[in-house]
This record gives sequence, structure tokens and C-alpha cells, in this order.
Amino acid sequence: DSGVTQTPKHLITATGQRVTLRCSPRSGDLSVYWYQQSLDQGLQFLIQYYNGEERAKGNILERFSAQQFPDLHSELNLSSLELGDSALYFCASSPGTSGGAEQFFGPGTRLTVL
Amino acid sequence: AQSVTQPDIHITVSEGASLELRCNYSYGATPYLFWYVQSPGQGLQLLLKYFSGDTLVQGIKGFEAEFKRSQSSINLRKPSVHWSDAAEYFCAGYSGTYKYLFGTGTRLKVLA
Repeated sequence: DSGVTQTPKHLITATGQRVTLRCSPRSGDLSVYWYQQSLDQGLQFLIQYYNGEERAKGNILERFSAQQFPDLHSELNLSSLELGDSALYFCASSPGTSGGAEQFFGPGTRLTVL
Repeated sequence: AQSVTQPDIHITVSEGASLELRCNYSYGATPYLFWYVQSPGQGLQLLLKYFSGDTLVQGIKGFEAEFKRSQSSINLRKPSVHWSDAAEYFCAGYSGTYKYLFGTGTRLKVLA
């Protein structure tokens, strides 16, 4: 158990809908990272937040957005969903912003768009 | 463009045999380099990381990696594989622009 929690574990929805994925980092970790893992794209870095502020952006679509709240939990919002958005979404956390720091991954949320 | 490449999609070894998983990177300078393992239905777990110093890095679960600057590679090794090592292994790199790049992964199968 990494100490990172993600809810829900599974999510099934329809095209055009909007969903919110939630992540609680390990106690004391200030950075949260979001990743998308799909069969065709592999593991893609989406976005990083540090202590409530956006720190880095990867391959995140404009239909996707994220935020980190004062209690450090984070939410990833996916809107106008398409079939291709079906994937496993991981959240990870680390204590600071150093790129060399170990990231602790949550178990993921599996999103299925029908 | 920056990249992390794992040339082997699948590898099958017998239990007790040695293992080497390949990873090559392409960055302007040597990045932080990581090896992660993902067991079925689980998140990723860090096995080891490298930034500088000794070219042989020890990790958890009996894994080690050898960094070769001349070949832009960091290959993961284990002297004797156990059936519980069957999983998917990811190599990753981090550049100074706060972006992480992952390889496509190598799925390891272990034969009894």
C-alpha cells in the first residue's frame, strides 16, 4: 500500500459526459501527479500540482483539467468524453518538487467510456 | 525530441535464470532515470533511480541497474528471477522541465 488513495476504482460512463477522479496523496506529500495509461498511448504524464499550484503540464487535453485543494487532495476533471479516453488514470504523490524524488502511485481509476 | 525507449515488449525467462531489461534514453543531458514495476491491477512501484555517481545502482527486490553514458542506456538486471517477478517493467526519465517520460514497458513472463 503506497498511501495514495484514488476514487472511484472503476467508472463507466457515456460519450459526451463529464467525470471527476479524486486523489488523496500520502500524508505530508505536497506534489500530486496525474497519469493516463492506455494500450495505444502507454503511460503518459498529464499534469503536476505542488501545494495547490500547477507546476508542470504534459500531454493533457484541453477537455481535461485538474486542481489541488488546500487539504492537498486533487481532482482530475474529464469532460466531453470520447471513446478514446477509456484508460487507467493514475495519481502519484511525492514530498516536494524535485524531479529526482520517488513518486508513490495510487491503484488507479479505470475509466470506461461507452 | 526527448524519449525513453524499451525495445523489448515481452520477455520470457525461466525461474532462476538471470534477467536483463533494456532501456535507452534520448535527452540533452543525462536525466534522472527510474525503473518501476507494475503488477497486474496495481499502481507502479519504484525499483531504483539513477542520477549521477556510480554506474551500478542497487534497487529493491534484488534488482540492480547499470548506467552506460556512452550507450545512453540504463538496463535493469536481476541475477535470479523468481516467479513473483512476473509483471510489467517501466523505464522513465525526468528532464529539467518537470516532465516525466515513460517507456512503453516490458512485460516479463516467468516460466516455472
